Amino acid sequence: SQQGEEDPQALSIQEGENATMNCSYKTSINNLQWYRQNSGRGLVHLILIRSNEREKHSGRLRVTLDTSKKSSSLLITASRAADTASYFCATGEVYNQGGKLIFGQGTELSVKP
Amino acid sequence: GAVVSQHPSRVICKSGTSVKIECRSLDFQATTMFWYRQFPKQSLMLMATSNEGSKATYEQGVEKDKFLINHASLTLSTLTVTSAHPEDSSFYICSAMYGLRSPLHFGNGTRLTVT
Repeated sequence: SQQGEEDPQALSIQEGENATMNCSYKTSINNLQWYRQNSGRGLVHLILIRSNEREKHSGRLRVTLDTSKKSSSLLITASRAADTASYFCATGEVYNQGGKLIFGQGTELSVKP
Repeated sequence: GAVVSQHPSRVICKSGTSVKIECRSLDFQATTMFWYRQFPKQSLMLMATSNEGSKATYEQGVEKDKFLINHASLTLSTLTVTSAHPEDSSFYICSAMYGLRSPLHFGNGTRLTVT
């Protein structure tokens, strides 16, 4: 079953602009991860934020987590055409210790040069 | 590091035949592997969790007799789609982890088309 939803479903911006994607989830979680998928390819892990963290940075990526609202956001700053891809959040649930992740619906990002 | 190789990347088969997809962790021992299915422009749907040396755990609604999963070693898991039908056409992706605290490492997926 799917954990939650991401919005927007699609986002189109110009190179250099910032892109913000949001993810909501339903259950209690251990961690939340963001992945990137280029068309027709596998997923690449971007960043993991634990349930006791509120914000995390990695290069041009900034992730926030609000466990009270059961939501997370991914910000990509100074976007590049190469950032064009689908972005998925995935949650690791508290009661599942087997490493299973539940993926959101994804945001399709298009960065125009 | 942490490379997962999935093979084949594309396969076309006739209805009624079986297709095997391999997922290998190339530079680490994968304690657990996961198999996902993805329809166009949709999210990944977890099909099953595979632990080395034990039976796979299937998600609700996934037919274990149709989607046979074998995890014979710490570096290889296989998914066999048996008696494939056109509705089985999809993008199948495997992922592997080397511990509960490791992120998932994904293969590049297999595009299955059943004619």
